[in-house]
Amino acid sequence: QKEVEQDPGPLSVPEGAIVSLNCTYSNSAFQYFMWYRQYSRKGPELLMYTYSSGNKEDGRFTAQVDKSSKYISLFIRDSQPSDSATYLCAMRRVLTGGGNKLTFGTGTQLKVEL
Amino acid sequence: GAVVSQHPSWVICKSGTSVKIECRSLDFQATTMFWYRQFPKQSLMLMATSNEGSKATYEQGVEKDKFLINHASLTLSTLTVTSAHPEDSSFYICSAFSGGKNIQYFGAGTRLSVL
Repeated sequence: QKEVEQDPGPLSVPEGAIVSLNCTYSNSAFQYFMWYRQYSRKGPELLMYTYSSGNKEDGRFTAQVDKSSKYISLFIRDSQPSDSATYLCAMRRVLTGGGNKLTFGTGTQLKVEL
Repeated sequence: GAVVSQHPSWVICKSGTSVKIECRSLDFQATTMFWYRQFPKQSLMLMATSNEGSKATYEQGVEKDKFLINHASLTLSTLTVTSAHPEDSSFYICSAFSGGKNIQYFGAGTRLSVL
């Protein structure tokens, strides 16, 4: 079983829809949770960064972390065609004893159609 | 956000030659940088952790003599693919860890094509 599970998609939605992307994980030592967006043939770009449980909002993006369920989500409101990309969840343990290596999900390919 | 510059963005080389890829953190110092490899439609695969002033730590299955990593300063790490072969063709991505922000920032990636 992988440490981080993420549905690879593809996920296709109409413009303006609310998109929900999710990851589950098995390692309870993970404390830092990130969402990266990756366009084709480009490096990942950090979208959201959350420490421990809770919600965080930034513009059209909302990240949620539920450590009790080992489940994280990224919501995109009013989705746009420019949001079409692969979304990678990533997480890591605290620095002491765990370094700062990231463990990634497989990425979900999202397409927002006109 | 912080900027990580990766160069070149695309390189084509003949089989048997060596290729060097540079990764620079432009507005912060990075004691730790990472090198990843990504195959089409797959996630990032960590190859090695590059530590400033010391030897890199390679992941299991990654040949350290094949993929030479040098982290000579707090803003520069290089990956050299030695004696490249067609099977080394891939997308290589570096990242730099900002201790101040506790975040890993990524470069734009290098597409390597070995003929």
